[in-house]
Amino acid sequence: EVQLAETGGGLIQPGGSLRLSCAASGFTVSYNYMTWVRQAPGKGLEWVSLTYNHDKSHYADSVKGRFTASRDDSKNMFYLQMNSLRADDTAVYFCTRGRFGDPIYWGQGTLVTVSS
Amino acid sequence: NFMLTQPHSVSESPGKTVTISCTRSSGRIASDYVQWYQQRPGSSPTTVIYEDNQRPSGVPDRFSGSIDSSSNSASLTISDLKTEDEADYYCQSSYNSNWVFGGGTTLTVL
Repeated sequence: EVQLAETGGGLIQPGGSLRLSCAASGFTVSYNYMTWVRQAPGKGLEWVSLTYNHDKSHYADSVKGRFTASRDDSKNMFYLQMNSLRADDTAVYFCTRGRFGDPIYWGQGTLVTVSS
Repeated sequence: NFMLTQPHSVSESPGKTVTISCTRSSGRIASDYVQWYQQRPGSSPTTVIYEDNQRPSGVPDRFSGSIDSSSNSASLTISDLKTEDEADYYCQSSYNSNWVFGGGTTLTVL
């Protein structure tokens, strides 16, 4: 069974850094494409990044240059390093797993609050 | 880049059929697959339709997806509505490995 579990959220001051983790089970991260999607309080879904199985990543303009997605194949983990955080980065962050011919699977999300 | 436009809200009675539209602003709707996600209050999204019209196992066949090139839009149709279908629904497509989400539609079953 495919499962995703995000951790690492919390309260962080503006300008700070945070690393989110996504633990994957039931599949191999390196053989799939992985995304981060966020949802600000009371708002809709916003795509953040997509990483292909060859480790190339694409980013939304709103986070480009500040966020970096990566994976650890030995741990079957997927990460989002977030730097220079701003108040408008406050959101629940979801990781998802995609593979052509399969539905997208979502984790339960982790809340990041950027505030002084 | 393009936008996906959804109605802000729809409502219908139990047992009826509702269709939620998702219109692509530029480029052909058929050029990239469309997915539909359901998000109930306080929960993470789940996929109800992927690759335009494919239904994941466990999703009732009351849910169906389609695309219409003439209107450059995708549609999610839910038949025999149940109160448990009340949720926010989002369409999503992509271009050049970037995902685009619609603004979401709140479905009320009353």
